[in-house]
Amino acid sequence: AQKITQTQPGMFVQEKEAVTLDCTYDTSDQSYGLFWYKQPSSGEMIFLIYQGSYDEQNATEGRYSLNFQKARKSANLVISASQLGDSAMYFCAMREVNYNFNKFYFGSGTKLNVKP
Amino acid sequence: DTGVSQNPRHKITKRGQNVTFRCDPISEHNRLYWYRQTLGQGPEFLTYFQNEAQLEKSRLLSDRFSAERPKGSFSTLEIQRTEQGDSAMYLCASSLQGAGANYGYTFGSGTRLTVV
Repeated sequence: AQKITQTQPGMFVQEKEAVTLDCTYDTSDQSYGLFWYKQPSSGEMIFLIYQGSYDEQNATEGRYSLNFQKARKSANLVISASQLGDSAMYFCAMREVNYNFNKFYFGSGTKLNVKP
Repeated sequence: DTGVSQNPRHKITKRGQNVTFRCDPISEHNRLYWYRQTLGQGPEFLTYFQNEAQLEKSRLLSDRFSAERPKGSFSTLEIQRTEQGDSAMYLCASSLQGAGANYGYTFGSGTRLTVV
């Protein structure tokens, strides 16, 4: 079964508007971490935000926030005030801390296009 | 430190040839990872090193693939007798042991392999 599911292959958003990128995950572990990475056309993966499974508050990093709904196993990324430079692929990822602290599982990604 | 460096950035090879990629991690990072990313997919774990020891290998890493990290610094990934299905982006990442559960990797920009 897929560990990470991203159901939006592509998204468009108007510059300065907010956008939500969906992510659901599957694990039987109690302890895990959820991450979002940005991949511009240059190829490198850029770490954006992290949410721990025991964190009660939703994570925020600048314009990025993670809408964590543990019971629904969802970890959606919200980008506020979109900028043209936000156009990129976005990947949701999970690390199962108890099983394998080092391995990430990635979703298939969402391509975000920010329109001027 | 300029981050994780991967060479070459692009490689085109004929089917059946051998190829080798190099990754130079962040100097103080003792963990190094290889991932493969095919078109339209997220990265998939291949293998990881702690110092010079290769501690885990994915089933994706067939016997045509070999990775080394001889002195615990740079790493090489070799693919023997390349096949068209090996065409992908090969991403290297590094991290520091003990950095905490919320650490993300630092990724390189990847090596894009095209097998013709």
